[in-house]
Amino acid sequence: DAKTTQPNSMESNEEEPVHLPCNHSTISGTDYIHWYRQLPSQGPEYVIHGLTSNVNNRMASLAIAEDRKSSTLILHRATLRDAAVYYCILRVIPEYGNKLVFGAGTILRVKS
Amino acid sequence: DAGVIQSPRHEVTEMGQEVTLRCKPISGHNSLFWYRQTMMRGLELLIYFNNNVPIDDSGMPEDRFSAKMPNASFSTLKIQPSEPRDSAVYFCASTRGGGGNQPQHFGDGTRLSIL
Repeated sequence: DAKTTQPNSMESNEEEPVHLPCNHSTISGTDYIHWYRQLPSQGPEYVIHGLTSNVNNRMASLAIAEDRKSSTLILHRATLRDAAVYYCILRVIPEYGNKLVFGAGTILRVKS
Repeated sequence: DAGVIQSPRHEVTEMGQEVTLRCKPISGHNSLFWYRQTMMRGLELLIYFNNNVPIDDSGMPEDRFSAKMPNASFSTLKIQPSEPRDSAVYFCASTRGGGGNQPQHFGDGTRLSIL
């Protein structure tokens, strides 16, 4: 499976934007980039995904580099509730199912 | 809509006992996944089903682990006999579709402690 590299941890101030980077230099042409997050004592939660173009939804934005070897998850205004582990995952699409391979992720701390 | 429902939320049992974890996927979802999370190994996929059929069980650690999906609304993960190293949080997830980019929806997990 293609691998991703993320910083171990990041810190942000409340109400400020957060840019969470992810490197995926071995990405193949059909691999989608997915982001999930895991709040304390909860299961992972889907955030956003994309292939080539930048994507926006109500939770976040995903900026994908032109060569697709890196991407950035953008939280436009961090809140205390955004403190979580953020996982950047390359989605391998086999004939059946959707396999998610989680790395260590980035621990995001938000200061009030 | 109800999310993925897992039971029990917590389980504490002694080594050697049989443990059964249960999962009810979201109605209409036809893919189901079992994950295990530990501090040492992070989140690992154990097995997944598509239309009640096991597709990939390569993550199942050993024969003591087994999983079934008798129908579209229920799955079990069984450990027999259990060992202390099986202590972890076990998550179930479901998704609609078998080959696309549909998000996986996770339950709140079962925290398993084997004494």
